[in-house]
Amino acid sequence: QKEVEQDPGPLSVPEGAIVSLNCTYSNSAFQYFMWYRQYSRKGPELLMYTYSSGNKEDGRFTAQVDKSSKYISLFIRDSQPSDSATYLCAMSVDRGSTLGRLYFGRGTQLTVWP
Amino acid sequence: GAVVSQHPSRVICKSGTSVKIECRSLDFQATTMFWYRQFPKQSLMLMATSNEGSKATYEQGVEKDKFLINHASLTLSTLTVTSAHPEDSSFYICSADNADGLAGGLPDTQYFGPGTRLTVL
Repeated sequence: QKEVEQDPGPLSVPEGAIVSLNCTYSNSAFQYFMWYRQYSRKGPELLMYTYSSGNKEDGRFTAQVDKSSKYISLFIRDSQPSDSATYLCAMSVDRGSTLGRLYFGRGTQLTVWP
Repeated sequence: GAVVSQHPSRVICKSGTSVKIECRSLDFQATTMFWYRQFPKQSLMLMATSNEGSKATYEQGVEKDKFLINHASLTLSTLTVTSAHPEDSSFYICSADNADGLAGGLPDTQYFGPGTRLTVL
């Protein structure tokens, strides 16, 4: 079993839809949870960063972490064609250069059509 | 803020040659940089952790003599793919740890470069 599982999709939605992306994980020691957005042939861009359980909102994006279920989600409201990208979840046990090793999901490919 | 660059963005080389990829943190210092490779439609796979002034730590299954990493300064790490073969063709991405949270980024968070696409003929 991989440490981080993420459905690769693809996921295709119309503009304006609410998008729900999620990951599950097996390592209960993970404390830091991140979502990255990666456009084709580009490096990942940090979108959201959450510590432990709870919700975090930033504009149209909301990240949720449920440590009891080992489940994290990213919601995108009022989705736009510019949101079309691959979304990667990542998590780590701790922070800091030597302890912050990231474990990535496979990424979910999202297409928002006009 | 917290910008990481990579050079070159794309390289094509013949089998048997060596290729050097540079990773630079432009507006912050990074004690630690990470090197990943990514195959099409796959996730990022950590290859090695590079610490300034010391030897890199390689993940299991990654040949350290084939993938040479040098982290000579707080803003530059290089990955050299030695005697490259077609199976080394991949997308190589580096990240730098913004430990101090300078340049407007979050502290202790990895910021990624744009990647280098390597094609070995």
